[in-house]
Amino acid sequence: DGGITQSPKYLFRKEGQNVTLSCEQNLNHDAMYWYRQDPGQGLRLIYYSQIVNDFQKGDIAEGYSVSREKKESFPLTVTSAQKNPTAFYLCASSIVQGDQPQHFGDGTRLSIL
Amino acid sequence: SQQGEEDPQALSIQEGENATMNCSYKTSINNLQWYRQNSGRGLVHLILIRSNEREKHSGRLRVTLDTSKKSSSLLITASRAADTASYFCATAHHQGAQKLVFGQGTRLTINP
Repeated sequence: DGGITQSPKYLFRKEGQNVTLSCEQNLNHDAMYWYRQDPGQGLRLIYYSQIVNDFQKGDIAEGYSVSREKKESFPLTVTSAQKNPTAFYLCASSIVQGDQPQHFGDGTRLSIL
Repeated sequence: SQQGEEDPQALSIQEGENATMNCSYKTSINNLQWYRQNSGRGLVHLILIRSNEREKHSGRLRVTLDTSKKSSSLLITASRAADTASYFCATAHHQGAQKLVFGQGTRLTINP
């Protein structure tokens, strides 16, 4: 079955530590996205990528970094510069051309130790 | 901000009743999409309506779009307990990258 896999499901970060969230898709989609969701809120875009080796900042990119070395993978690093990282992180992918929906993974919940 | 607004924030109805959720946005769109999220899970796409469309149906779902009022509504007919979830509208303001702007969602509870 095609889909998006996010890992781990739960992640704990210590003060001053960088952590990396994994996102892998086998849908052959060119575009991938990272969102942050806070309790009772909608999604806010962190970074997105339309093609391998290229990505753009979203609305809340500060304190985060990404890479897109392979079409299938779009890992997100939450750096120590992100002072309020506790949230639910969602990865998505889509076809770039035309009006297309986004397909989501099941998220990673990040908490501070 | 282009952030959309959804109304109501929470809705509780009896099984079998219809549920209507509304979404408003601020700037012109290419398309508007509705998604569903069960607690602790990712979002699932429900329906996409283009800016030149006024109404779309999918099973028990009916979506309308009024670009003059910059608003959309999602109607779920004959609700079931399994429809309990949060529902989000998302607007695409440009073609291409499908960069979406999400509303804050409506929490729908269906009481058996």
